[in-house]
Amino acid sequence: DIQLTQSPSFLSASVGDRVTITCRASQGIASYLAWYQQKLGKGPKLLIYSASTLQSGVPSRFSGSGSGTEFTLTISSLQPEDFATYSCQQVNSFPLTFGGGTKVEIK
Amino acid sequence: EVQLLESGGGLAQPGGSLRLSCAASGFSFSDYGMTWVRQAPGKGLEWVSSITKGGDNIFYAASVRGRFSNSRDNSKNTLYLQMDSLRAEDTAIYYCAKKLAVGGRDQLDHWGQGTLVTVSS
Repeated sequence: DIQLTQSPSFLSASVGDRVTITCRASQGIASYLAWYQQKLGKGPKLLIYSASTLQSGVPSRFSGSGSGTEFTLTISSLQPEDFATYSCQQVNSFPLTFGGGTKVEIK
Repeated sequence: EVQLLESGGGLAQPGGSLRLSCAASGFSFSDYGMTWVRQAPGKGLEWVSSITKGGDNIFYAASVRGRFSNSRDNSKNTLYLQMDSLRAEDTAIYYCAKKLAVGGRDQLDHWGQGTLVTVSS
């Protein structure tokens, strides 16, 4: 199985900050990676697919990069509505797997 | 507007069964693969099972294989998860989710609100 390791697991940031979250795969997955945002009590929301493609309707302050085993999600200027938990998912092969999540909290 | 509405969750005893349903609307259900994902209390997301658009290929996580059965009825626009031999570690919110694209990989662009399954005596 492909393991995904996210870091950090928790980060505290201020509105306007640039935030970067990393997702490392235990083996190469080309660009078969998605990023999700989840707020308390809600289902996840797709932000980025195929490692770097912004899902329709998602603000352009979100971006994704990487391929192979190392990926990043960047929020260029953190907004109040961005405080949430972010998770990566590999879709290269079954079993599909998720990273452990990164909780972004207000500093 | 795409909508996915899960139902069927609740309290089950260890060794018991539950059947979850996911009613889909707002898209051509029979054109898309579908996936179940769960989230234990305070934990991360865990993939459970995926089914292709025609239901001919189904994939399961090792933790549920042989106990859970994923199926769909395209005439009713509904996805199902039959859960047997339930264990305490199956306690979680269960989400159904739609595949992003007709072809391609199982990136999930729409999710339901989830249904809570609690396994306890």
